Amino acid sequence: AQKVTQAQTEISVVEKEDVTLDCVYETRDTTYYLFWYKQPPSGELVFLIRRNSFDEQNEISGRYSWNFQKSTSSFNFTITASQVVDSAVYFCALSEDNTGGFKTIFGAGTRLFVKA
Amino acid sequence: DTEVTQTPKHLVMGMTNKKSLKCEQHMGHRAMYWYKQKAKKPPELMFVYSYEKLSINESVPSRFSPECPNSSLLNLHLHALQPEDSALYLCASSPDRYNEQFFGPGTRLTVL
Repeated sequence: AQKVTQAQTEISVVEKEDVTLDCVYETRDTTYYLFWYKQPPSGELVFLIRRNSFDEQNEISGRYSWNFQKSTSSFNFTITASQVVDSAVYFCALSEDNTGGFKTIFGAGTRLFVKA
Repeated sequence: DTEVTQTPKHLVMGMTNKKSLKCEQHMGHRAMYWYKQKAKKPPELMFVYSYEKLSINESVPSRFSPECPNSSLLNLHLHALQPEDSALYLCASSPDRYNEQFFGPGTRLTVL
């Protein structure tokens, strides 16, 4: 069965702290795609990163970095030197296409509060 | 044009009304999606239209019906909705099904 777990419901940090958002997924497929999206208070979902199941390379983009480990079925997201503008809900998502058809499932989300 | 537009932004309707939500993209994307998002919950995929084929989440009731008049437009027709259908309806598009999705601002629907 397809499942995405974001165990951290809410995280509160002080500006300039580093913070890691956890994502654990379950799938039976060998080909799948993982994503992180940000949903600020304005409500519009913004794409952050995509990884396919064959690409375990970690990635850094400015203050953001992602750690994909197939061995533990995890795709964690770290924000370095957090800023108030990082306050948002962050969703991890999994897409796959199998005999049951194409599906995208989102984790429950982690609400991040960054205080000045 | 690198955005997904949705109209209307807000919609209030009674349970006997028929209304439609509209979604448009001009990025040449081949896949478009409708999601439903309740407050403090993640988006739930309702429909996917890609490669000129519609995929439906089996849990979506028939009072929701999508329509894709062309590759840039995706409508969601609403009929005989229930108060529990009140939610934010998000449209998204992507170059194909496996790429990142670009989301519109959503339509906030209230069913009285």
